[in-house]
Parts: sequence; structure tokens; C-alpha cells
Amino acid sequence: GESVGLHLPTLSVQEGDNSIINCAYSNSASDYFIWYKQESGKGPQFIIDIRSNMDKRQGQRVTVLLNKTVKHLSLQIAATQPGDSAVYFCAVSTDSWGKLQFGAGTQVVVTP
Amino acid sequence: NAGVTQTPKFRVLKTGQSMTLLCAQDMNHEYMYWYRQDPGMGLRLIHYSVGEGTTAKGEVPDGYNVSRLKKQNFLLGLESAAPSQTSVYFCASSDRARTEAFFGQGTRLTVV
Repeated sequence: GESVGLHLPTLSVQEGDNSIINCAYSNSASDYFIWYKQESGKGPQFIIDIRSNMDKRQGQRVTVLLNKTVKHLSLQIAATQPGDSAVYFCAVSTDSWGKLQFGAGTQVVVTP
Repeated sequence: NAGVTQTPKFRVLKTGQSMTLLCAQDMNHEYMYWYRQDPGMGLRLIHYSVGEGTTAKGEVPDGYNVSRLKKQNFLLGLESAAPSQTSVYFCASSDRARTEAFFGQGTRLTVV
């Protein structure tokens, strides 16, 4: 089965610095990847997604990088703000129905 | 702008009791999903639906049933609750596979 993991359970970042959250996946057939942000007591919120025919995609202050060779993706947040404090999940899909396999999440703590 | 609404937000059940969680979306989405989230773990897919009248099993379907009689509603049922079903349940919807899914605020269920 799919295994989706994150490299660090907690990431402490100073306000204004860039954050990098990593995610490894095991199934080479995975072809759709997505990042969600979850604030305390709320449901996950979409950040950005990427398909396997791309290796980089940019959004507002966020960039997702995909390395299919080593089965790794990362989320970069530029100029991290206090409002970025949350748990970040990567998820991958291998089937046409788009069923997602979620990682355990990384807690990002932004310090002043 | 309701989006995805889950009812109830909190519930305490005794072992063996039954209950139904309701998910309603007002975005005319075809796809709907039920996930559970346990401490320190990512979301795990219970059941999903790709359109009105359809349902399919996800990663952890045992002990749960679902129905999608109307396009806007997706019901999750627990026929005989067990302590292992203590979790936070999230409903989500999307207009197609492999795209942003919108999540509800979650239902915190405790089975004693």
C-alpha cells in the first residue's frame, strides 16, 4: 500500500524566514499530489496541488517541488507569517477516482 | 457562503449505540468524501461517492455505512458504535477527481 510520510513532526520557523516542509511517498505510480493546511479546530484547507507531469508549481507565497526520481515533494512558504502556524499535510493519489493517501502532518510553529 | 456543513459538531455515544452524521454541500459538487482523523495521524478515507446514488469503500470502511440519496448530502452511519471509532470525522466535496476538495469543520465523536 501507499506510504506517505513527512520528515519532521514539528518545524519551528522565525517570522519572515522561509519554511520548507518535506514529504516522501512510496508508490511510484502516484501521479497527483496536494498540500493542505489545518488550523486548530478547523477542517483542512487547500494550499496547492501538482500533477506528475510537472516538477514545480507556484502559488501565492508557496511553491511545491516534485522529485519523482526519489519520490519526494516539498512545500516552500516564503516570508512565513504568524498566520502560517498550522499543521501541513501532503497527500498523494494513484487512482483515477482521486482517492488520497494523507501523511501524518507537520506542525509549523512561527516564532516572532 | 456555507460550503460544506457537518452536523453535529460534537457527540458522545455509548458503546453499541447508533448515529448518523450529516454532510451537506451547496457547491453542486459531484464527489463527496468521509474521512476520520486520529491524533498524530493524517486523514484516512472511510467512504466516498462520485455522484448521487453512488458510494464506494475507502481505506477504513469497516463499521460504517454511507448513503448519497441527494447530490448535496452524504450521510455516514455507525450502526453499533465502538470505542475505536472515537475520532474527528471530516466530510469533503469536490467537483471532480484530482482537484481541490473543500472540507467541513469536523465532527468530534467520543464513544464511551
